[in-house]
Amino acid sequence: DTVLTQSPALAVSPGERVTISCRASESVSTGMHWYQQKPGQQPKLLIYGASNLESGVPARFSGSGSGTDFTLTIDPVEADDTATYFCQQSWNDPYTFGAGTKLELK
Amino acid sequence: QVKLLQSGAELVKPGASVKLSCKTSGFTFSTSYMSWLKQVPGPSIEWIGWIYAGDGGTNYNQKFKGKATLTVDKSSSTAYMDLSSLTSEDAAVYFCARLISSYDYFDYWGQGVMVTVSS
Repeated sequence: DTVLTQSPALAVSPGERVTISCRASESVSTGMHWYQQKPGQQPKLLIYGASNLESGVPARFSGSGSGTDFTLTIDPVEADDTATYFCQQSWNDPYTFGAGTKLELK
Repeated sequence: QVKLLQSGAELVKPGASVKLSCKTSGFTFSTSYMSWLKQVPGPSIEWIGWIYAGDGGTNYNQKFKGKATLTVDKSSSTAYMDLSSLTSEDAAVYFCARLISSYDYFDYWGQGVMVTVSS
């Protein structure tokens, strides 16, 4: 299975720019998607196809990358962005998720 | 608007089975792919499989073959997942989600249902 590696946690101040990385153990082309999950809630889609912003998601969120290295950027970060962020690949079977990056605000 | 409403929390005995439901509204269910996912504290997420509501065709994660069975009822726009021979390793929160087949991502999720396995 394709393993997705994310850094476990980040802490930033409101107004700053943050990048969350996701590295795949093999190429996933642009079959990478990003979700936000707050405690006790279901995940929410932010970015699909590596760089496409889901409808209704603020333009502060953006995604980039292809192959094995991907990035989710939030600029500027707001207090409401405190959450865990997951990457998910769909290029290789089975679909797999990263372990999540917990974003905390200082 | 799109809604996916899952059934309530389940407490089941080891060795038993459980059937989870996901009632949908706000989109054309009969031409949609529905998926089920498992989340355990950690908080990792695993994809279990998808079912195409149009013809009942399925694709399972090899890890969950024999454990999960996906079905749909088009008349009620509801997706179901049967989990069999439950053990403590099956205790988790289970989500249903709509799968968008162009890029294979999950655009809408149910609220999740916690399954507890205990005697």
